Amino acid sequence: QSALTQPASVSGSPGQSITISCTGTSSDVGGYNYVSWYQQHPGKAPKLVIYDVSSRPSGVSNRFSGSKSGNTASLTISGLQAEDEADYYCNSYTSSYTQVFGGGTKLTVL
Amino acid sequence: QVQLVQSGSELKKPGASVKVSCKASGYSFTSNPMNWVRQAPGQGLEWMGWINTNTGNPTYAQGFTGRFVFSLDTSVSTAYLQISSLKSEDTAVYYCAREHCSAGTCLAPWGQGTLVTVSS
Repeated sequence: QSALTQPASVSGSPGQSITISCTGTSSDVGGYNYVSWYQQHPGKAPKLVIYDVSSRPSGVSNRFSGSKSGNTASLTISGLQAEDEADYYCNSYTSSYTQVFGGGTKLTVL
Repeated sequence: QVQLVQSGSELKKPGASVKVSCKASGYSFTSNPMNWVRQAPGQGLEWMGWINTNTGNPTYAQGFTGRFVFSLDTSVSTAYLQISSLKSEDTAVYYCAREHCSAGTCLAPWGQGTLVTVSS
């Protein structure tokens, strides 16, 4: 199972919005509404911020939102804050009854 | 609160074995599958597989068959990852993560990670 494709890096200024894409195939992202997103700060464990494409866990800011179109899922962070600077990973269920991560995207808040 | 606490860092020589533990608390251990994820230094997350905490049945991702074994001790709410015949390329942080959703995938919470270093 190949890793999902994410941009290596994105950046934005405080207060702006950014979007991170996650491209897979019809066997993973496109085939199921089971895409999740994780935030990882340096030296820390990942944290779930979006699941089932667009659902937010309790306690996660509503500045985080998710969507999907075809084989590409997206994570949008609005009203960027310094604390949002982190690595972000997408994850999808697959037709092989497994799951696969994206390569990760480093978000820089300018 | 729901928490996963992993064992401490390990330094092992090539060819040795290591067993990483992941102790769960704050929920019924057998209610949720447990996943394992690897992160090599400076690299991304790699899903290793999961274990059904009810039946003990493991599922391994491609690339993690043979030397990798998931196991449980439900009496102490603990999951284990054992890696045998260690190689330098096994150097990584290994995370356990509870499957939170009843369908699909959403991993929460995660353990704090265990650094396994393989070096002669």
